[in-house]
Amino acid sequence: KNQVEQSPQSLIILEGKNCTLQCNYTVSPFSNLRWYKQDTGRGPVSLTIMTFSENTKSNGRYTATLDADTKQSSLHITASQLSDSASYICVVSPSPFTGGGNKLTFGTGTQLKVEL
Amino acid sequence: GAGVSQSPRYKVAKRGQDVALRCDPISGHVSLFWYQQALGQGPEFLTYFQNEAQLDKSGLPSDRFFAERPEGSVSTLKIQRTQQEDSAVYLCASSQSQRGNIDEQFFGPGTRLTVL
Repeated sequence: KNQVEQSPQSLIILEGKNCTLQCNYTVSPFSNLRWYKQDTGRGPVSLTIMTFSENTKSNGRYTATLDADTKQSSLHITASQLSDSASYICVVSPSPFTGGGNKLTFGTGTQLKVEL
Repeated sequence: GAGVSQSPRYKVAKRGQDVALRCDPISGHVSLFWYQQALGQGPEFLTYFQNEAQLDKSGLPSDRFFAERPEGSVSTLKIQRTQQEDSAVYLCASSQSQRGNIDEQFFGPGTRLTVL
């Protein structure tokens, strides 16, 4: 069972609309949770990094939330643009005290398509 | 450019051939990671270097996979006797310090390997 699960698997929205992507994880304890954007044919690009003590972080039109009690995170995209079409990947980094080293655990991503 | 670069961007190999994939990290970055990304999936950890030392190779799927970073900068991922199941995108990432699980990781564009 994947330790980081994302939903929905794919999503189509109209330009200008908002959307929220979900991430549930079982990695515990963890150091931080990240959201990446991956355009087709490109490497992932970091959007937000939150430590376990943070519960929200924004980057422009992207806002990530974190509930460490329920082990859930969400990424909210406001006023979507065509260029937001990409895969959004939730990534959990293990605590360095658990022997997890530097391994990041990636979700399978939510494929977002923004249409006119 | 100041980003992570990878070459070649695309590689087609016949089953049984050896391949070598190159990664040029951001200059001065201590940590370097290799990931394997199957179609429609999130990246999966392969191996981690801190300078020239390979500190974690637990994600390498078989002894046909070998990685090196002899001078602590450029890294090469070598796959011997390629198999069809090796077909994937191979991503390289680097981070500034030895705290790769805390620092932001910067990804290259990846090398898409297709084994026929």
